[in-house]
Amino acid sequence: NAGVTQTPKFQVLKTGQSMTLQCAQDMNHEYMSWYRQDPGMGLRLIHYSVGAGITDQGEVPNGYNVSRSTTEDFPLRLLSAAPSQTSVYFCASGQAEDGGGAFFGQGTRLTVV
Amino acid sequence: DAKTTQPTSMDCAEGRAANLPCNHSTISGNEYVYWYRQIHSQGPQYIIHGLKNNETNEMASLIITEDRKSSTLILPHATLRDTAVYYCIVRVGDGNNRLAFGKGNQVVVIP
Repeated sequence: NAGVTQTPKFQVLKTGQSMTLQCAQDMNHEYMSWYRQDPGMGLRLIHYSVGAGITDQGEVPNGYNVSRSTTEDFPLRLLSAAPSQTSVYFCASGQAEDGGGAFFGQGTRLTVV
Repeated sequence: DAKTTQPTSMDCAEGRAANLPCNHSTISGNEYVYWYRQIHSQGPQYIIHGLKNNETNEMASLIITEDRKSSTLILPHATLRDTAVYYCIVRVGDGNNRLAFGKGNQVVVIP
């Protein structure tokens, strides 16, 4: 049971480039979300999804797109990378209805130069 | 979701119980108290959650005061591997897993 898998673990982008951060979970969880964490800060919610075909914005959605075509996958797209998007990105999943805890991936460290 | 207040940091002795406080004086009746921790550079790890009753699992115990305005996470026998940032989060248990992380409590377990 792999849990929540994020790829890649590390990435360096040039300003203006685009890329997709991958997130997959094998627990059949309905709820998935993306957070970013900047140095010395707590996590901030970017986008989330309560099920396949449904997405919504979190606290800091600008510059990011998401889609949820399957229950398992929730990719995060950076349309035109900016240095301000240098951060560690975490994907999480959980059951939508039981109010239980969320499970997090190990993160993607992104540097935009 | 209600706000929480935690110490910025605290030290605990290895092998002793670690008591981590959290204030949530504006908590609503349908809001749960959740605890997560983040060991350096890793993804946050869910520890425990509760509504009004005390809860215990293999990792920790959660003690919630009767008025629910504060809670304490207890790590029964702290080890060096428990050194982490601990987050106390209050949110409605309606299936919405949006989590509002503050800066947390940096807990250092000292040998």
